[in-house]
Amino acid sequence: DADVTQTPRNRITKTGKRIMLECSQTKGHDRMYWYRQDPGLGLQLIYYSFDVKDINKGEISDGYSVSRQAQAKFSLSLESAIPNQTALYFCATIHRGNTIYFGEGSWLTVV
Amino acid sequence: AQKVTQAQTEISVVEKEDVTLDCVYETRDTTYYLFWYKQPPSGELVFLIRRNSFDEQNEISGRYSWNFQKSTSSFNFTITASQVVDSAVYFCALSGRIPRGTGRRALTFGSGTRLQVQP
Repeated sequence: DADVTQTPRNRITKTGKRIMLECSQTKGHDRMYWYRQDPGLGLQLIYYSFDVKDINKGEISDGYSVSRQAQAKFSLSLESAIPNQTALYFCATIHRGNTIYFGEGSWLTVV
Repeated sequence: AQKVTQAQTEISVVEKEDVTLDCVYETRDTTYYLFWYKQPPSGELVFLIRRNSFDEQNEISGRYSWNFQKSTSSFNFTITASQVVDSAVYFCALSGRIPRGTGRRALTFGSGTRLQVQP
């Protein structure tokens, strides 16, 4: 099984719809992150969480919300999706020794 | 704030040529980590290397080598005798504290360099 699992892997949704991307990890790490990658660009930090009760905004949090349901689960929601949120989304966990585990990515298209 | 710059947007080489991908970073932290990732067309991120800011030794792994120079804030990546399978987007990333001094870290990525190796 993968260390970090993202679902769904691919999703096409309509403008204005709510969508949730889920991330779960088996590493027992306390730190979890959501990144977004636009075509031809690097990854930008959306939200990060260092504990179930410790959630922080990243560089591009507008239009997104997150939920840390448990240490192993960190979900990203788009309350009302818009086309410029079409991107590849990555979840990551980081061990205190700075070993970083990425999920395989979730391709989201908003039409 | 920290920043990673990959000035080369796209590089095209012919198979067996050597190629160097540049990475320049900015940070005020004294302790940080530098990474290189490969992103093939399928989209996943493949970890290549992690380098601690206190370790300036260059590293070689097969056809891959990395040149870390703290004096110029650079962490360049060289592929020797490139192959078609090396075609991908390569990202340089910096792990630094957010906000500074709290011990919390996140990765800051460069915009990536797309490498195309022609047969």
